[in-house]
Amino acid sequence: QVQLVESGGGVVQPGRSLRLSCAASGFTLKSYGIHWVRQAPDKGLEWVAVISNDGTKKYYTDSVKGRFTISRDSAKNTLYLQMSSLRPEDTAVYLCARGWPISGTRADAFDIWGQGTMVTVSS
Amino acid sequence: SYVLTQPPSVSVAPGKTTTITCGGNNIETKSVHWYQQKPGQAPVLVISSDSDRPSGIPERFSGTNSGHTASLTLSRVEAGDEADYYCQVWDSRSDSWVFGGGTKVTVL
Repeated sequence: QVQLVESGGGVVQPGRSLRLSCAASGFTLKSYGIHWVRQAPDKGLEWVAVISNDGTKKYYTDSVKGRFTISRDSAKNTLYLQMSSLRPEDTAVYLCARGWPISGTRADAFDIWGQGTMVTVSS
Repeated sequence: SYVLTQPPSVSVAPGKTTTITCGGNNIETKSVHWYQQKPGQAPVLVISSDSDRPSGIPERFSGTNSGHTASLTLSRVEAGDEADYYCQVWDSRSDSWVFGGGTKVTVL
């Protein structure tokens, strides 16, 4: 079964760090661009970051550049989001989503989504 | 950065048809995708590449994209269609992926 399962969320103080994981099953992460998307409480979806299928290209939304790092462990078929210098406005459910396949383009849809993991930044 | 504009909410009676718009500058030059999100659940892709329906999505869902507006049409609306709907594109100029603000569909 093709699925993504996030973990690693929790409550963290402002300025601290947290690492999220996204475990893939039923397909190989190396074959797809994979995104992180977040959703603040009662708000809409916001794209956060993406890593290309070959891992050489990484893109971030402006508000997290220099603070968040996306990476991947191919052996574990797992995606990560290292978040540092966390701010209250980073509070959200963080979801990973499958993007474009090797044969596709960056314009392709997000066709598989995980259920998300909640991150709360509060003192 | 590229902006997508959606109406915050629409209401529709069961069995009727409703259309959700997604406005963006020359959006017809982009590939627009639509997602349905029910409370407490992950988003589900319902329309890709302007008008393609993924496997398992009812024919009642359809999409168009022209000029500065893309649209998602829900025909013969059912109670189970009540959800938030988001449009999304890739902005090549900024290499960023953009979502609209979302539209809450209420079935009366």
